[in-house]
Amino acid sequence: DAGVIQSPRHEVTEMGQEVTLRCKPISGHNSLFWYRQTMMRGLELLIYFNNNVPIDDSGMPEDRFSAKMPNASFSTLKIQPSEPRDSAVYFCASSKGPGGELFFGEGSRLTVL
Amino acid sequence: KNEVEQSPQNLTAQEGEFITINCSYSVGISALHWLQQHPGGGIVSLFMLSSGKKKHGRLIATINIQEKHSSLHITASHPRDSAVYICAVRGGGGTSYGKLTFGQGTILTVHP
Repeated sequence: DAGVIQSPRHEVTEMGQEVTLRCKPISGHNSLFWYRQTMMRGLELLIYFNNNVPIDDSGMPEDRFSAKMPNASFSTLKIQPSEPRDSAVYFCASSKGPGGELFFGEGSRLTVL
Repeated sequence: KNEVEQSPQNLTAQEGEFITINCSYSVGISALHWLQQHPGGGIVSLFMLSSGKKKHGRLIATINIQEKHSSLHITASHPRDSAVYICAVRGGGGTSYGKLTFGQGTILTVHP
């Protein structure tokens, strides 16, 4: 299996621009998670989906962040407009059910100038 | 006080030493995860446990639900074990069932 695939691996953008991060979960996994990692706050859950439905989005910082999962094999995390404080590594992970073992993607490193 | 506390924050060892990393948590959980992250790298799940003990190669993880405490042990440590080890707990139920709360991580450096 190819594992969880994230793109882009690195993104550098200017403040105010729209950023879209993409994730393809492992086939057969029905839970998908978006995490953010920063030096100051460590790892934080942003949102998770079960069977393509958002279950808990309490970690989404504000309205500038949105996430979608249109089908079982694809999810996006969008930031519009981006701000320098959004600079972080964003990880996507998937599992068989919300309580299953987690498999992480390699992460997308975002830098907002 | 954080819900998940790890100790120590930094750990330096010589190759071959036995290593223990501790994790304490203050909330009810359904499971605890140990994760490994190499510098600049991705995150790998080492263990997921809700009771007792699990072993994988040189790694051993234990959990005491009553005491709200878990330990990760590495026997015969090797420089390739140098990484950040992160403890994470999963909520007890409802929508929090899928939500992980993370410790701050333990930076392990093993010298040859």
